[in-house]
Amino acid sequence: DIQLTQSPSFLSASVGDRVTITCRASEDIDSYLVWYQQKPGKAPKLLIYAASTLQSGVPSRFSGSGSGTEFTLTISSLQPEDFATYSCQQLNSYPITFGQGTRLEIK
Amino acid sequence: EMQLVESGGGLVQPGGSLRLSCGVSGFTLSSYWMSWVRQAPGKGLEWVANIKQDGSEKYYVDSVKGRFTISRDNAKSSLYLQMNSLRAEDTAIYYCARADCISTSCLFDYWGQGILVTVSS
Repeated sequence: DIQLTQSPSFLSASVGDRVTITCRASEDIDSYLVWYQQKPGKAPKLLIYAASTLQSGVPSRFSGSGSGTEFTLTISSLQPEDFATYSCQQLNSYPITFGQGTRLEIK
Repeated sequence: EMQLVESGGGLVQPGGSLRLSCGVSGFTLSSYWMSWVRQAPGKGLEWVANIKQDGSEKYYVDSVKGRFTISRDNAKSSLYLQMNSLRAEDTAIYYCARADCISTSCLFDYWGQGILVTVSS
């Protein structure tokens, strides 16, 4: 199984900050990686697919990069509505696996 | 508007069974792979199962193989998850999700609100 490890697991930041979350895969997954945002008590929302393509309707302050085994999600200027948990998911092979999540909280 | 609505969750004893349903609207179910994804309390997301548009292919995470069965009824716009021999570690919120798949590479672009399954005596 492909393991995804996110870092950090917890991040405290302020409105306006630039933040970066990393997702490392245990083996090469090319660009078969997506990112989700999840707010408490809500379902996940697809943000980025193919490692760097923004899903329709997602603000441009979100960006993704990487390929192979290392990927990043960057929020260029945090807004109040961005405080949530972010998870990566690989779709290179079964079983589909997710990272453990990064909880982003207001400082 | 795209909607996925889960039902059938609740409290069940270890070893028991439960059947989850997911009714969909706003898109044609028969055109999409569908999935179940779960999230244990305070934990990350875990993919559970996928089913192809016509039901001819199904995939499961190892921990549920032989115990859970995913199925669908496209005429009724419904997805199901039959869960047998339930264990405490199956306790989670179960999400129904629409899967956008290229071959076996699937992401989840629309999700239901989730339904809680609690396995406890």
